[in-house]
Amino acid sequence: DSGVTQTPKHLITATGQRVTLRCSPRSGDLSVYWYQQSLDQGLQFLIQYYNGEERAKGNILERFSAQQFPDLHSELNLSSLELGDSALYFCASSALPDPNEKLFFGSGTQLSVL
Amino acid sequence: GESVGLHLPTLSVQEGDNSIINCAYSNSASDYFIWYKQESGKGPQFIIDIRSNMDKRQGQRVTVLLNKTVKHLSLQIAATQPGDSAVYFCAENRRGAAGNKLTFGGGTRVLVKP
Repeated sequence: DSGVTQTPKHLITATGQRVTLRCSPRSGDLSVYWYQQSLDQGLQFLIQYYNGEERAKGNILERFSAQQFPDLHSELNLSSLELGDSALYFCASSALPDPNEKLFFGSGTQLSVL
Repeated sequence: GESVGLHLPTLSVQEGDNSIINCAYSNSASDYFIWYKQESGKGPQFIIDIRSNMDKRQGQRVTVLLNKTVKHLSLQIAATQPGDSAVYFCAENRRGAAGNKLTFGGGTRVLVKP
């Protein structure tokens, strides 16, 4: 158990809908990272928050947004969903603001857009 | 969470033999590298990491080698066991204007034959 909790584990929705994925980092970790893993793209970095502030941004679509709350949990919001958004979404956490230490990954949320 | 359908290079190894997984990275400014193991249905799990001021680091049954001259990273697994069957990812801390990002390679699937 990595100590990172993601909910829900599975999500099935329709095109055009909006969903929210939730992540609770390991106790004491201030950084939260979001990654997307699809069948043809591997693990793609989306965005990172550190202590409530956006720290780094990857190839995150404008339809996607995230935030980190004062209690350090994070939510990833995906809107106007398309079939191609179907993927496994991982959250990871670490203590430091930069990813030059190991990240601890959650078990992921499997999103299926039908 | 299984990467079924992901077109990964596959390494088949006999139980008890040593495995070597290779990874090329692109950014000569990357200063931190890490290997993750991902089993079916689970999130990536930390194996070993190395900083750019080192060229070798050993863990329990695993060794990571870093060749900065040719931007190459390898993971060696000694006496490979059935439990080592998984997808292995290398990642680098890639520095950029939009923040530092832990960027993953495409992954290698390791199949251990009994």
